[in-house]
Amino acid sequence: EAEVAQSPRYKITEKSQAVAFWCDPISGHATLYWYRQILGQGPELLVQFQDESVVDDSQLPKDRFSAERLKGVDSTLKIQPAELGDSAMYLCASSLGARYTDTQYFGPGTRLTVL
Amino acid sequence: AQTVTQSQPEMSVQEAETVTLSCTYDTSESDYYLFWYKQPPSRQMILVIRQEAYKQQNATENRFSVNFQKAAKSFSLKISDSQLGDAAMYFCAYSLPNFGNEKLTFGTGTRLTIIP
Repeated sequence: EAEVAQSPRYKITEKSQAVAFWCDPISGHATLYWYRQILGQGPELLVQFQDESVVDDSQLPKDRFSAERLKGVDSTLKIQPAELGDSAMYLCASSLGARYTDTQYFGPGTRLTVL
Repeated sequence: AQTVTQSQPEMSVQEAETVTLSCTYDTSESDYYLFWYKQPPSRQMILVIRQEAYKQQNATENRFSVNFQKAAKSFSLKISDSQLGDAAMYFCAYSLPNFGNEKLTFGTGTRLTIIP
């Protein structure tokens, strides 16, 4: 069964350092989402792509976060510089994107700890 | 803005028994979608069940069913014949059915423990 892949699974970094997370969606999925899940809370959307275009990045802290999906397939989320408050689980999800109600499939996430 | 509230941080149930998880939401929209997602420890989140707001019939998926009360803005999940594999965080979520608004808005989750 096809799954969303994410790497690394765990990342520990010091504040002010740069970090990057990678996501490979299920093959053929046009829509890709990055969510952030702070411990004890539900995930919140950071950015949504439709193919290579950004659809919604209203909650992305653009002064330090960037996201790209250059060829409309895999995606990278970067934080520079990392801050203590960025410690969280970063989840990637994808959906077919053919209909607005397609199921979102989630990857295992990257757990980031900022020291 | 839409909000989703899960008032039960933790629930427990004896194996083979039935448990109901609560969820309320706030929206001014008439057409929307509601979901229950399951997040097992150290594993990815998976969809359990979904409900379209325009459908009056409650969704069911095997041992999982929902009680959707649109006027009360309530969307509870019932798990029948609970199994050890049901132990997980359960998140209620909401989305709109139009392009650019498919993002999921989640509640804070309910941790379900199954007692053998």
